[in-house]
Amino acid sequence: GIQVEQSPPDLILQEGANSTLRCNFSDSVNNLQWFHQNPWGQLINLFYIPSGTKQNGRLSATTVATERYSLLYISSSQTTDSGVYFCAVRMVAGSEKLVFGKGTKLTVNP
Amino acid sequence: EPEVTQTPSHQVTQMGQEVILRCVPISNHLYFYWYRQILGQKVEFLVSFYNNEISEKSEIFDDQFSVERPDGSNFTLKIRSTKLEDSAMYFCASGKDRVYEQYFGPGTRLTVT
Repeated sequence: GIQVEQSPPDLILQEGANSTLRCNFSDSVNNLQWFHQNPWGQLINLFYIPSGTKQNGRLSATTVATERYSLLYISSSQTTDSGVYFCAVRMVAGSEKLVFGKGTKLTVNP
Repeated sequence: EPEVTQTPSHQVTQMGQEVILRCVPISNHLYFYWYRQILGQKVEFLVSFYNNEISEKSEIFDDQFSVERPDGSNFTLKIRSTKLEDSAMYFCASGKDRVYEQYFGPGTRLTVT
């Protein structure tokens, strides 16, 4: 099946810093979503971005489908950005399930 | 903005008991999913449901699991005889179509003692 690799696995920042999270995938996809899992365990939809670039406030994401990767940018990070960020993809061929990466655990210190 | 809701938020049950986790998908969505996340691990697909039948299921989704859409709004996951290893966060999701974005609920944390 498709492989989804996220990097880095852990990231520690000072408040106000910028960061880039990466998601690589091993096959063609028609769906890519970024999620933020908050300390209560809830999955918050950040972006649906099978290709192109989107921005929402301090967050933006870019997916280059032909090169099989996506990037999530967080600017001017805040302590509330802490948590785990997951990338999930759906393969073009066959299955309708989302396959998740292992996530990047972000800690933003005051 | 419409959202997926799940109840209860936390359920504690004894090993061997049956549990039913409930979800209300977004009203005009046609595709429904359950995922689970064991503590500290990644989110895993369990089952997808469309047109009142299972369209895909994972190896995790064995005979102890079942899903149902009993009316026009609810979507349930039943575990017949819970095991300790069923302790996890269970997420319901729904989508307008097969390819488009999946919208996730807040999850139900199941603890089996």
